[in-house]
Amino acid sequence: QKEVEQNSGPLSVPEGAIASLNCTYSDRGSQSFFWYRQYSGKSPELIMSIYSNGDKEDGRFTAQLNKASQYVSLLIRDSQPSDSATYLCAVAKLIFGTGTRLQVFP
Amino acid sequence: KAGVTQTPRYLIKTRGQQVTLSCSPISGHRSVSWYQQTPGQGLQFLFEYFSETQRNKGNFPGRFSGRQFSNSRSEMNVSTLELGDSALYLCASSLGASGGDEQFFGPGTRLTVL
Repeated sequence: QKEVEQNSGPLSVPEGAIASLNCTYSDRGSQSFFWYRQYSGKSPELIMSIYSNGDKEDGRFTAQLNKASQYVSLLIRDSQPSDSATYLCAVAKLIFGTGTRLQVFP
Repeated sequence: KAGVTQTPRYLIKTRGQQVTLSCSPISGHRSVSWYQQTPGQGLQFLFEYFSETQRNKGNFPGRFSGRQFSNSRSEMNVSTLELGDSALYLCASSLGASGGDEQFFGPGTRLTVL
């Protein structure tokens, strides 16, 4: 069974720091990876997609993919209290991890 | 461009009843997926429809069913409701059926079963 694993957290970081969120997956043949942000009581919102090994940057967000090690990570630079949310990793569009709760404190 | 819409947003039912939820995808999107989200289980995949055909199905009992219409709108039905069916039901749309397509979620329908 294909699985996606995330540390549930909470991950607490001070404002202005870099938050690092990690995700591992079991299916070595997976090609597509997605990061979503979900605020409490809201639906998931797509942050980034990544398909190739290496880094992909979008504003304060950087996704990193290492297919050989089967992990994908999301870095949030200059973290803000408004970044406090649950971050979901998804593989091949349909398979989601349980999410990591991020808390950014002032 | 309008986003994914779901109706109703909130629903209260009693055990044994059935419920139908509706999802309208982003214009031009032909794939609709459904998920159940609960605090304990996270986001669980129910099924995916593309061009009116179910392409993938998650590990849920037969009480959960769905369909997609020619305009890509989708409905899911839960029959003989159980207390454990209380959850946020989310639908998401994407352009096509590829696992690489980006997916966008609607606001969800919060179902409470009493």
